[in-house]
Amino acid sequence: QKEVEQDPGPLSVPEGAIVSLNCTYSNSAFQYFMWYRQYSRKGPELLMYTYSSGNKEDGRFTAQVDKSSKYISLFIRDSQPSDSATYLCAMKGAAGGTSYGKLTFGQGTILTVHP
Amino acid sequence: DSGVTQTPKHLITATGQRVTLRCSPRSGDLSVYWYQQSLDQGLQFLIQYYNGEERAKGNILERFSAQQFPDLHSELNLSSLELGDSALYFCASSPSGLAGYEQYFGPGTRLTVT
Repeated sequence: QKEVEQDPGPLSVPEGAIVSLNCTYSNSAFQYFMWYRQYSRKGPELLMYTYSSGNKEDGRFTAQVDKSSKYISLFIRDSQPSDSATYLCAMKGAAGGTSYGKLTFGQGTILTVHP
Repeated sequence: DSGVTQTPKHLITATGQRVTLRCSPRSGDLSVYWYQQSLDQGLQFLIQYYNGEERAKGNILERFSAQQFPDLHSELNLSSLELGDSALYFCASSPSGLAGYEQYFGPGTRLTVT
């Protein structure tokens, strides 16, 4: 079983829809939770991060972390065709230790927003 | 543009060969990370260097090695290549003082082993 599970989709929605992307994880040592976006033939770029549990909002994007359920979500409101990309959840443990900089990624969800 | 550069963009080579991938981090970033992305395994952490020293290691094969030079650029060496090593290899860098969650990825090197 992988440490981080993410439904690869693909997910296709109409423009303006609310998109919900999710990941589950098994490693209780994870403290930082990130969402990266990857356009085709490009490197991933950081969208949002959350430390420990809670919600975080940035424009049309909201990230939620529920550590008790080991479940994280990314919501995209008023989705646009330019949001079409692969969305990767990523997690890491606390600072320090032998896995200091290691990010553990989900498989990625391919999202298409059609006009 | 993340500010991280990687060369070459594409590499085609034969099984058994050795290749070197190069990465230049963003100006001022001391940490460099290497990742491998394949269809079946997704994005996998290989290794991290911080200011020239190895800081963290993932499931990096013994045939693979990396180093970070005094000017902070990094190289990933892949030897005795196998068909299964065909993948996208990304380099990332992060600012010092943070916990390493904010990583800036380069455009990647696509390696094809024939």
